[in-house]
Amino acid sequence: KQEVTQIPAALSVPEGENLVLNCSFTDSAIYNLQWFRQDPGKGLTSLLLIQSSQREQTSGRLNASLDKSSGRSTLYIAASQPGDSATYLCAVPRSGGGADGLTFGKGTHLIIQP
Amino acid sequence: NAGVTQTPKFRILKIGQSMTLQCTQDMNHNYMYWYRQDPGMGLKLIYYSVGAGITDKGEVPNGYNVSRSTTEDFPLRLELAAPSQTSVYFCAARAFFGQGTRLTVV
Repeated sequence: KQEVTQIPAALSVPEGENLVLNCSFTDSAIYNLQWFRQDPGKGLTSLLLIQSSQREQTSGRLNASLDKSSGRSTLYIAASQPGDSATYLCAVPRSGGGADGLTFGKGTHLIIQP
Repeated sequence: NAGVTQTPKFRILKIGQSMTLQCTQDMNHNYMYWYRQDPGMGLKLIYYSVGAGITDKGEVPNGYNVSRSTTEDFPLRLELAAPSQTSVYFCAARAFFGQGTRLTVV
């Protein structure tokens, strides 16, 4: 059974810092990995999707990397801003390409101090 | 675009009551999902559907039922509500999520 772990569970940093969120998964036979953002009382928003054939994906100040062999992914946030404060969730398909849903980590609760 | 719409946003149920959480999407996606999220936990898959007329159990299906008569709608039914079903429920169409339904069973 696939398990996803996210470290740290919570992080508080001053505005402007670069930071790294970590995600690990137990079954390396994944088709892709996805990072989501969740704001309080809201649904999830997909940030980045990395296919198994890719090493990284970038969107603005966000960069996600994937190392299947070691079962790890990182989300790098450059020049953090207070608006980045949210919970960040990592997810992988339960099986195959994900038609049968995703397995999520518990998330990293991020606070960016102004 | 509305995306994925869930109703209601909040609900309080008494133990033993039943209710249906509504979910509708306007993106014409075949794949739809119901997850629950407990405090400090990741999302757990309850049920999923790969198309109209096709549903299957996820990781935590006990106490729930679903139907998928159209591509747009994927309602989740709670029968005989229990305190353990207090949670936030999210519906998704592929990787697009609704805003959630916060359910409290007392």
